[in-house]
Amino acid sequence: DIQMTQSPSSLSASVGDRVTITCRTSQSISSYLNWYQQKAGKAPKLLISAASNLQSGVPSRFSGSGSGTDFTFTISNLQREDFATYYCQQSYSTPYTFGQGTRLEIK
Amino acid sequence: EVQLVESGGGLVQPGRSLRLSCTASGFNFGDDAMSWVRQAPGKGLEWVGFIRSKAYGGTTEYAASVKGRFIISRDDSKSIAYLQMNSLKAEDTAVYYCTRDTLDVVVVPDGIGDYTWLDPWGQGTLVTVSS
Repeated sequence: DIQMTQSPSSLSASVGDRVTITCRTSQSISSYLNWYQQKAGKAPKLLISAASNLQSGVPSRFSGSGSGTDFTFTISNLQREDFATYYCQQSYSTPYTFGQGTRLEIK
Repeated sequence: EVQLVESGGGLVQPGRSLRLSCTASGFNFGDDAMSWVRQAPGKGLEWVGFIRSKAYGGTTEYAASVKGRFIISRDDSKSIAYLQMNSLKAEDTAVYYCTRDTLDVVVVPDGIGDYTWLDPWGQGTLVTVSS
């Protein structure tokens, strides 16, 4: 199975800040890496597919990059509605695996 | 609007069975693979398994934690995916989500290829395994 190491596990930031979350995989997965946002009590929502492909309707302050084993997810100019938990997920091979999640909190 | 609605969750005793349903609308259900993902209370996301479309053989894959106990099936005529859960354990307690396993061609910095992602997700249904 492909192991996912996502960091940090939690993060405090202020509105207007720029934050970065990283995801490292135990083997190369090319660009088969997706990012999801989950708000409390809600289902996850896809933000970025194939490492850097922003989904339709998702604000451009969200971005993703990386390939191989190292990936980065960035939110620039944080907005209040961005405070949530974020997960990376590999779709290179089954079993699909998720990162442990990053809880983004208001400072 | 693309929509997935899960049903069938509830309280069940250890060792018993339960079947979840995922009713899809707004897309050609038979063209897509469907995944189930679960989330234990206060924990992260865990992929449970998926079923491929008939075009890809309709075969299934499972996480090791449920293999041999859970069965995923589909009825394309009704646009419903099922998760049959047998020999349930306390550690199966979770919110269960169904999600479309979308496959599409994407241009990435390294080139072009077929990529998959989970979108959309249903609202989830809670399964509690307890005596």
